[in-house]
Amino acid sequence: SSELTQDPAVSVALGATVTITCQGDSLNNDYASWYQQRPGQAPKMVMFDVDMRPSGIPRRFSGSRSGNVASLTITGAQAEDEADYYCHSGDSKSYQYVFGPGTKLTVL
Amino acid sequence: EVRIEQSGAEAKKPGESLKISCKGSGITFSTYWVAWVRQVPGKGLEWMGMIFVDYSESKYSPSFQGHVTFSADKSTNTAHLQWTSLKASDSATYYCARSAVTESSTSSYSYYRMDVWGNGTAVTVSS
Repeated sequence: SSELTQDPAVSVALGATVTITCQGDSLNNDYASWYQQRPGQAPKMVMFDVDMRPSGIPRRFSGSRSGNVASLTITGAQAEDEADYYCHSGDSKSYQYVFGPGTKLTVL
Repeated sequence: EVRIEQSGAEAKKPGESLKISCKGSGITFSTYWVAWVRQVPGKGLEWMGMIFVDYSESKYSPSFQGHVTFSADKSTNTAHLQWTSLKASDSATYYCARSAVTESSTSSYSYYRMDVWGNGTAVTVSS
């Protein structure tokens, strides 16, 4: 199956740590990338190749992988981290990819 | 400045055709794929497929195969998304994004990521 699953919503206290997960069969062979989408804005890549942060992404964002689960962790969540987060993965041999359904992160 | 410029919002009627554009500015699409992503208002992101600009080779998600067409012009660093007959259900915001690849050094797999995104083109289809 090429589907990805994510928790629909997660909340975190300001300054606390939160982990958003993404599960799917494709993750056994593929490295997920993660995208942040704030309301009214275009998505922005925040993690790729498991644990690579693009330039300009704060160090509080980190990534990991275990089996068919990819994780995005925010250590010391800030108000500006409140957004929808989507994972993306697929099969490079068939060139078929999907996004996860997204996780709405609320910073309390 | 590195950015992707997408064409402006469109309002169309069912059955009409449409072609929207995605132009790289300060970045090249050469040797990269350009992905297209749909977002219906209030819903999540949907990967539609991607086109390798140098060869205009396209890969489509089964959900969109046959209903849209990707094209690209290497000389103008531009990709296009086209419909020949729009439906009301095509109403959405469409994003393009440059898709970079990491080749695995330990397996035959490649790892794709969308590293630069356009701001989206809103398409409204209504009679």
